[in-house]
Amino acid sequence: AQTVTQSQPEMSVQEAETVTLSCTYDTSESDYYLFWYKQPPSRQMILVIRQEAYKQQNATENRFSVNFQKAAKSFSLKISDSQLGDAAMYFCAYRAPNRDDKIIFGKGTRLHILP
Amino acid sequence: NAGVTQTPKFQVLKTGQSMTLQCAQDMNHNSMYWYRQDPGMGLRLIYYSASEGTTDKGEVPNGYNVSRLNKREFSLRLESAAPSQTSVYFCASSERSGYGYTFGSGTRLTVV
Repeated sequence: AQTVTQSQPEMSVQEAETVTLSCTYDTSESDYYLFWYKQPPSRQMILVIRQEAYKQQNATENRFSVNFQKAAKSFSLKISDSQLGDAAMYFCAYRAPNRDDKIIFGKGTRLHILP
Repeated sequence: NAGVTQTPKFQVLKTGQSMTLQCAQDMNHNSMYWYRQDPGMGLRLIYYSASEGTTDKGEVPNGYNVSRLNKREFSLRLESAAPSQTSVYFCASSERSGYGYTFGSGTRLTVV
């Protein structure tokens, strides 16, 4: 069974600095999709970034980028120029390509931004 | 606005009471899901529906039932609420495999 592991329950970063959130996953599939979701105090789940496993190029969305290492089954999220609004719970997630496959979530990393 | 609408946003139940959480999406998505979120546990799948007329169990289905009423609506029912079902519940929908979910705003349920 696929699993997603986030080894850092909490992290802190100074405003304007860069922080990297770690995620590893386990799968026997060769084709799949990976995601990072952000959950601010409002509780809303917001999709931050999506990566297709068959693409070697790392996905980026403005200040958010990933380091996707397929062989190592690692999918870290880098947040550059951290802002107070980045404070949230971040979930790493995995989805296999079949039609009925569900998204599997890690347990989350709570990110604190220090002013 | 297009999206996933969940009701209610907050609910307090007494042990043994029943209730139904409602979810509707207006994006014409085939797949819909119910997750629960507990501290330190991430999001765990309760039930899902890959298409209208089908439902399947997820990781933690015990104590819950679901109904896919039509393509838009997917409800979650607690027949006899227990304190262990105190949680935040999320409904989500998906266009197709490979894409992320669109989530509702969640329901915070407390069972006393």
